[in-house]
Amino acid sequence: GNSVTQMEGPVTLSEEAFLTINCTYTATGYPSLFWYVQYPGEGLQLLLKATKADDKGSNKGFEATYRKETTSFHLEKGSVQVSDSAVYFCALKGTSGSRLTFGEGTQLTVNP
Amino acid sequence: GAGVSQSPSNKVTEKGKDVELRCDPISGHTALYWYRQSLGQGLEFLIYFQGNSAPDKSGLPSDRFSAERTGGSVSTLTIQRTQQEDSAVYLCASSLYGGGQLSTDTQYFGPGTRLTVL
Repeated sequence: GNSVTQMEGPVTLSEEAFLTINCTYTATGYPSLFWYVQYPGEGLQLLLKATKADDKGSNKGFEATYRKETTSFHLEKGSVQVSDSAVYFCALKGTSGSRLTFGEGTQLTVNP
Repeated sequence: GAGVSQSPSNKVTEKGKDVELRCDPISGHTALYWYRQSLGQGLEFLIYFQGNSAPDKSGLPSDRFSAERTGGSVSTLTIQRTQQEDSAVYLCASSLYGGGQLSTDTQYFGPGTRLTVL
């Protein structure tokens, strides 16, 4: 079956530091890949997505590239802000199914 | 426009009681999903509705859990004889098309219902 593995957290960075959150997946065919973010006290929000190999999703300074050869979708941001503090979830949606399969989530804390 | 809404936002109940959780999807979305977010299990799929098709119930953890979707819009998740391990945040999501060939379809999530079983 499908699965998603995220780097273990929590991650603590200083403001303006570079961020990488690793995500790898197992799936048949060509799934769609997503990053969702959950800010404190709020619901899940879509951050970015990529639907085919080599696609790059981007939003709010975050980027992730769909790498079929390494089955990865790592999230990056060049300069994090305090307001980026949240839990980040990597997820996939298979080609034949409808459900999202989520990673464990990574708690990010950015200190001023 | 309005997003996915859920009610109640918080629910505290006693072990053994039944609870009903409600979800109002985004207008025009044909697909509706329920997920559960708990400390030990992360985010788990529960059930999926697509139009008038039979729902995909493969994620429901036990026969105490059931869900229905009336008129292709509002959905209710019912948990009978609640147990302490049912304590979690129950998330509803909707999308325009659902699964199959349109696998790029984005799911939009509601704020969740936090269920606490004492």
